[in-house]
Amino acid sequence: AQSVSQHNHHVILSEAASLELGCNYSYGGTVNLFWYVQYPGQHLQLLLKYFSGDPLVKGIKGFEAEFIKSKFSFNLRKPSVQWSDTAEYFCAVNTGSGNTGKLIFGQGTTLQVKP
Amino acid sequence: DVKVTQSSRYLVKRTGEKVFLECVQDMDHENMFWYRQDPGLGLRLIYFSYDVKMKEKGDIPEGYSVSREKKERFSLILESASTNQTSMYLCASTDRTGNSNQPQHFGDGTRLSIL
Repeated sequence: AQSVSQHNHHVILSEAASLELGCNYSYGGTVNLFWYVQYPGQHLQLLLKYFSGDPLVKGIKGFEAEFIKSKFSFNLRKPSVQWSDTAEYFCAVNTGSGNTGKLIFGQGTTLQVKP
Repeated sequence: DVKVTQSSRYLVKRTGEKVFLECVQDMDHENMFWYRQDPGLGLRLIYFSYDVKMKEKGDIPEGYSVSREKKERFSLILESASTNQTSMYLCASTDRTGNSNQPQHFGDGTRLSIL
């Protein structure tokens, strides 16, 4: 069965530190990849997505992610985090079959940024 | 901007009750989804619907049913609530046009407690 794995469950950083959150998926075919963020008390919102083209995608608020097909990975990065980045981050995969838009989510990573 | 509205932010019910969670979206999306979100488990798909009166089971449908009588509304039903259904429930919708790279749009969630 297809699955998504986020290896970091809880990350604590100081402001200005660099961030990398890991995401690996298990599926050998074409994939669409997403990172969502959930700020405290708010709904999930899209950070960025990849479906084709340049494997380095840029999202909102200075986030970027790199799709490495050979490693089945889609890691999220930010060069310098801010206290306002404190949130839960979810990686998700759509295998592209049909057009139901169905996603498989990772377990989530809680990021705590200390001021 | 897409708006997905869940009828309640917090709900407390008793074991054995029949519970209805309502979700409405205002963007004429074909696809709608119900997830539950639990710490360390991420989002798990309960049911989804790709058209009026159409539904498909997700990964954890046991103990739940759904109803989609109108395109904009997707209801999740707990037939006989149990304490292990205490969770955060998230509704989402997405457009079906094009490939499966359309992001899902989420509601604010309903935190359901079963006593």
